[in-house]
Amino acid sequence: GAGVSQSPSNKVTEKGKDVELRCDPISGHTALYWYRQRLGQGLEFLIYFQGNSAPDKSGLPSDRFSAERTGESVSTLTIQRTQQEDSAVYLCASSFLEGGYTFGSGTRLTVV
Amino acid sequence: ILNVEQSPQSLHVQEGDSTNFTCSFPSSNFYALHWYRWETAKSPEALFVMTLNGDEKKKGRISATLNTKEGYSYLYIKGSQPEDSATYLCAFIDYNQGGKLIFGQGTELSVKP
Repeated sequence: GAGVSQSPSNKVTEKGKDVELRCDPISGHTALYWYRQRLGQGLEFLIYFQGNSAPDKSGLPSDRFSAERTGESVSTLTIQRTQQEDSAVYLCASSFLEGGYTFGSGTRLTVV
Repeated sequence: ILNVEQSPQSLHVQEGDSTNFTCSFPSSNFYALHWYRWETAKSPEALFVMTLNGDEKKKGRISATLNTKEGYSYLYIKGSQPEDSATYLCAFIDYNQGGKLIFGQGTELSVKP
């Protein structure tokens, strides 16, 4: 597609439920990144994919968070047993070689 | 822990003022420095990707400089306009940490007409 697409754009979920966030990168972009921004904080790195493998998962906050990427395309970020501190805007970005990132418009997750 | 610091945290200027922000980053293992502009309710948009010491890039009224030896970059906006109001983010790539960007907290710019 022309840009990075994320869905859903907004998600309200009850504490303890699982959620799945989806990212469709720009076709041909080999690198894919997940970040989040919690209220009042900066952009926090979560995980990075090169192709379908994830060489850097160091930013995942706990084992409740997981991500996968298939076909060097779509990626899903799954949060199990959501907690209120998971509330944030989750941003996905993709890039090709060493160019700038192209970000999606994000998923705003609210855990109530 | 790699720290990327931006200053000031926020800035309020009048239309027509010129302004500049600072980004400081680790001077060792430098690979690249990016600048992004993030408007409310939109996605961050790439402004510049800078890789060489002494790089100077320009896009319209916005320009940026890079000093990798001392670990800082400046972003300049000449003749600010209300549509320049946004958060400006810098981000650093460490040579040993793959392609991931480490972002600063951003400088929030507000330009009053």
